[in-house]
Amino acid sequence: GENVEQHPSTLSVQEGDSAVIKCTYSDSASNYFPWYKQELGKGPQLIIDIRSNVGEKKDQRIAVTLNKTAKHFSLHITETQPEDSAVYFCAASPYSGAGSYQLTFGKGTKLSVIP
Amino acid sequence: KAGVTQTPRYLIKTRGQQVTLSCSPISGHRSVSWYQQTPGQGLQFLFEYFSETQRNKGNFPGRFSGRQFSNSRSEMNVSTLELGDSALYLCASSWTGESNQPQHFGDGTRLSIL
Repeated sequence: GENVEQHPSTLSVQEGDSAVIKCTYSDSASNYFPWYKQELGKGPQLIIDIRSNVGEKKDQRIAVTLNKTAKHFSLHITETQPEDSAVYFCAASPYSGAGSYQLTFGKGTKLSVIP
Repeated sequence: KAGVTQTPRYLIKTRGQQVTLSCSPISGHRSVSWYQQTPGQGLQFLFEYFSETQRNKGNFPGRFSGRQFSNSRSEMNVSTLELGDSALYLCASSWTGESNQPQHFGDGTRLSIL
């Protein structure tokens, strides 16, 4: 099955700096890669996603890049703010048959933005 | 538009008991997936339902089961609870689950086993 590795597990940055989180996946059949942000006491919130036919996607201060050949994808957050502090998860989604897709998650990155 | 609603938010049970958790998907969403989140194992896929049928199942024992109703609401049941079942149980919904449509999560049910 799919295996997703995520690094680093913790990341501290100064407010205004950039943060980069990297993930690798094992199943070349995976074609959808979402990123989630989870705040304390809340469920994961989808912040951006990318499909395998696209190399890069941006949404304001957030961007995701995908390298299918190397099987890795990254989340970039620019001009970080204290409210960006949370746990971030990457995921990969291979086709599981019968029209079903399941998400396989990385272990998460705890991002702390220091004011 | 209301998000995914999970009830109850918190549950305390003892070993050997059983529990039922409920999930109401976003209006119009027909696919519901369940995940278990623990500090040690992270987020792990339990199962996925679409049109009242289980389409996919993760590597969990048969004590974990679920169902989906005609209005797309879903329940999951855990029987003969063990201490290791203590976790945050998350439900996610998407339109159909096909073509890798985005999954949106609820805030989960925190289950504690004493």
